[in-house]
Amino acid sequence: DQQVKQNSPSLSVQEGRISILNCDYTNSMFDYFLWYKKYPAEGPTFLISISSIKDKNEDGRFTVFLNKSAKHLSLHIVPSQPGDSAVYFCAASFGGGGNNRLAFGKGNQVVVIP
Amino acid sequence: DAGVTQSPTHLIKTRGQHVTLRCSPISGHKSVSWYQQVLGQGPQFIFQYYEKEERGRGNFPDRFSARQFPNYSSELNVNALLLGDSALYLCASSRVVGNEKLFFGSGTQLSVL
Repeated sequence: DQQVKQNSPSLSVQEGRISILNCDYTNSMFDYFLWYKKYPAEGPTFLISISSIKDKNEDGRFTVFLNKSAKHLSLHIVPSQPGDSAVYFCAASFGGGGNNRLAFGKGNQVVVIP
Repeated sequence: DAGVTQSPTHLIKTRGQHVTLRCSPISGHKSVSWYQQVLGQGPQFIFQYYEKEERGRGNFPDRFSARQFPNYSSELNVNALLLGDSALYLCASSRVVGNEKLFFGSGTQLSVL
């Protein structure tokens, strides 16, 4: 059962424009959400996270928005750069479970066109 | 500081064999987690250990086992390998458990023939 879903498997965007990635989750117990970026032959690299007590978190070019009522979050990358071309994973966890087990989506392939 | 290191980077085994994958966490990190990523999917949680105790187990058969050593490094063992075990195995570390980001290694690519 996929608890974290990422639709639109791939996205192409022009350099300098905004990239928007979407993620939906089904488990209302999730209270911490993260985005990871992955290049081929490398492990996922942490990008940005958000706690369920917030609805927005910003770090440089990356902003994550959380809509708890819709069980939806999104990642905005502005401006997009060629080095952002990678697979992006949305992940979620429940802090009260005594672990930080992450449930991942299937990922979105982003291609930034110079 | 060194990141999460995993060995080996690549491995080829045949069905029925046994495999051991190794992971060293970032210095100061006491928790290690293991994930399996098959092509086209997101990583799937296998185990988490904190202070040498198992803190979580994913939906994997008993052929999968793991342990954490006093220096916080970890091993993942898979017995009686099946073709479907072919995947990228990722190790991640964190300082503590709870809502905290994980730092991932580059993984071990396991191919079962």
